[in-house]
Amino acid sequence: KQEVTQIPAALSVPEGENLVLNCSFTDSAIYNLQWFRQDPGKGLTSLLLIQSSQREQTSGRLNASLDKSSGRSTLYIAASQPGDSATYLCVVDKLIFGTGTRLQVFP
Amino acid sequence: GAVVSQHPSWVICKSGTSVKIECRSLDFQATTMFWYRQFPKQSLMLMATSNEGSKATYEQGVEKDKFLINHASLTLSTLTVTSAHPEDSSFYICSASPSRGLSSYNEQFFGPGTRLTVL
Repeated sequence: KQEVTQIPAALSVPEGENLVLNCSFTDSAIYNLQWFRQDPGKGLTSLLLIQSSQREQTSGRLNASLDKSSGRSTLYIAASQPGDSATYLCVVDKLIFGTGTRLQVFP
Repeated sequence: GAVVSQHPSWVICKSGTSVKIECRSLDFQATTMFWYRQFPKQSLMLMATSNEGSKATYEQGVEKDKFLINHASLTLSTLTVTSAHPEDSSFYICSASPSRGLSSYNEQFFGPGTRLTVL
C-alpha cells in the first residue's frame, strides 16, 4: 500500500528565505506526482505536476524534483514571501495525498 | 487553467437529513471525478472515483449506501450524503480529470470544497 509522508509537518521562516519541502513515498512505481497548496478552509491549487519520466518541473520561484528510485520529491521555494503561507501537499498518482507541510512565512 | 466549481460552498443541516453536493467542470469534459473528505488538520482522503456513465468505485471503509455518487454527464458529478449525522461533518472536495484512470499526461483540477456541518 502506497504511503506518502511529508517532512517537515510545519515550518515557520522569515521572508526571503529559500525553502525545501520534502515528500517521500513508499512504492516507487508511480505514474506522476503533483504538488498543491491549500489555503485555510479552501480548495487546492495545483503548483507543479511531474510525470514519472521527468526529473523536475519549474514554475516561477518553485522547482519540484522527482527521484523515483529513492521514493522522494522535493519542492524548492526561492525567496519566500508571506503570500506563500499555506499548507503544501504532495499527491501521488492523483489519489494518495501526503500528510502536508504547513508553511508560515513572516515579514 | 481548467475550472471546477462546487455547490454549495457550505451547508448546515439537521441530523437525519440528506445533503447533495454538486461538482462541475466548467470548461472541460471530466471523464473522471474524484471525491475527497478532509477532517480538520488532516490531509485529504479519497472517498470514491467515478467515471462518467459508470458506477463509482468506493474506497475501503466508505459506505456506498450513505455516500451516493452520480456522474451522469461529462461535466457534473453529485455526492449525496444520506441521513447525515454529526460525524459526517467535514470538508468535501471534488476533483475532475479529462482522462480516465491514471493517465500520466493529465492533471486533476480541484473544486473549492464544500463545508458540511450536521447539527
